[in-house]
Amino acid sequence: EAQVTQNPRYLITVTGKKLTVTCSQNMNHEYMSWYRQDPGLGLRQIYYSMNVEVTDKGDVPEGYKVSRKEKRNFPLILESPSPNQTSLYFCASSFGGYQETQYFGPGTRLLVL
Amino acid sequence: RKEVEQDPGPFNVPEGATVAFNCTYSNSASQSFFWYRQDCRKEPKLLMSVYSSGNEDGRFTAQLNRASQYISLLIRDSKLSDSATYLCVVGSSYKLIFGSGTRLLVRP
Repeated sequence: EAQVTQNPRYLITVTGKKLTVTCSQNMNHEYMSWYRQDPGLGLRQIYYSMNVEVTDKGDVPEGYKVSRKEKRNFPLILESPSPNQTSLYFCASSFGGYQETQYFGPGTRLLVL
Repeated sequence: RKEVEQDPGPFNVPEGATVAFNCTYSNSASQSFFWYRQDCRKEPKLLMSVYSSGNEDGRFTAQLNRASQYISLLIRDSKLSDSATYLCVVGSSYKLIFGSGTRLLVRP
């Protein structure tokens, strides 16, 4: 089944404790991206990747890191989480880029205490 | 001003009603336009792409007016299953900008 998977789905952590949210797609998509969704603000892009080893900042990259060592994986790293990073996070992928249909993962709910 | 603006709603309509959503965007260089549907904090899913010539998919019709930087979505004969949040999405410069969404509630 073609899909985008994220892990963990739910996470409660404390300020400053490094964490990684994994994202994997099995559709051989080149373009992958991370979004956060907050009430009243909609989805905002954190980082995106055009292909392996090619990443760039979205609109809200502060406090986040990403890497794209393999085509299928695009982990999101929070080196030192803070409460303002409490949010719902979505990973998405598409074959050709932002002009194509985006396929989203199921989301990761993160609470930083 | 937000780059993509939508009326947050909620729009509360009876089954069978016709409902229209509007969206405006600020970047005149935008190149791609979409409507996504999101159910209750689940992942967004593509409803339809939007073209200058307009496009229709069953009960759904989308229109784009580049001159006015305006996108619309028309839903005819609303079903209970149409209850969701509809996200207007605009793409340019390798990025997608999402509106905050318009919530639709279809009642029996």
